[in-house]
Amino acid sequence: EAGVAQSPRYKIIEKRQSVAFWCNPISGHATLYWYQQILGQGPKLLIQFQNNGVVDDSQLPKDRFSAERLKGVDSTLKIQPAKLEDSAVYLCASSQENEQFFGPGTRLTVL
Amino acid sequence: DAKTTQPTSMDCAEGRAANLPCNHSTISGNEYVYWYRQIHSQGPQYIIHGLKNNETNEMASLIITEDRKSSTLILPHATLRDTAVYYCIVRVPPRGNQGGKLIFGQGTELSVKP
Repeated sequence: EAGVAQSPRYKIIEKRQSVAFWCNPISGHATLYWYQQILGQGPKLLIQFQNNGVVDDSQLPKDRFSAERLKGVDSTLKIQPAKLEDSAVYLCASSQENEQFFGPGTRLTVL
Repeated sequence: DAKTTQPTSMDCAEGRAANLPCNHSTISGNEYVYWYRQIHSQGPQYIIHGLKNNETNEMASLIITEDRKSSTLILPHATLRDTAVYYCIVRVPPRGNQGGKLIFGQGTELSVKP
């Protein structure tokens, strides 16, 4: 069974630039999550989708972050404009029932 | 905020059992205890979960106290590949067919040494 795919794996940008991350969940998984993991901390949930609808985006900085999940499959997370404090690993996960499966993450460095 | 407390780091000798404690004194009656681990530069990986009873699978055992205020994850024969950060999470239960949210704390950094 293929796992959660994410791209790119690494991205370096300058502050005030825009960036987008892509996630392809495990086939058939209805729930998709985006997490932000700052160095030395545990992952923090940014947004949760159920199919193509948003379930929880309470921790998403909506002035600069946006996410969508068109057709209830792939998802993109965008940051516009990026700040220095956005440097982190962005993890995508998907689940069907009890277990969340995580992708390898995208490491973002904002200079 | 995370609802669990774990030691920041632990060491374990290769081949010995690793016992990782977790306190979750404010857990609600319908909340599960989940354990995930994160090996360096990888995404978190599910290990095990439980509600009241002790659980065992091919990776580990989970011992939950009778009052459910604490638990212990046991890796029976730790190997060097078990070196990782281990997260104990009290999970908000799913609603209907919607997945439940995971709130991660700092975790325990386990170092397995030869």
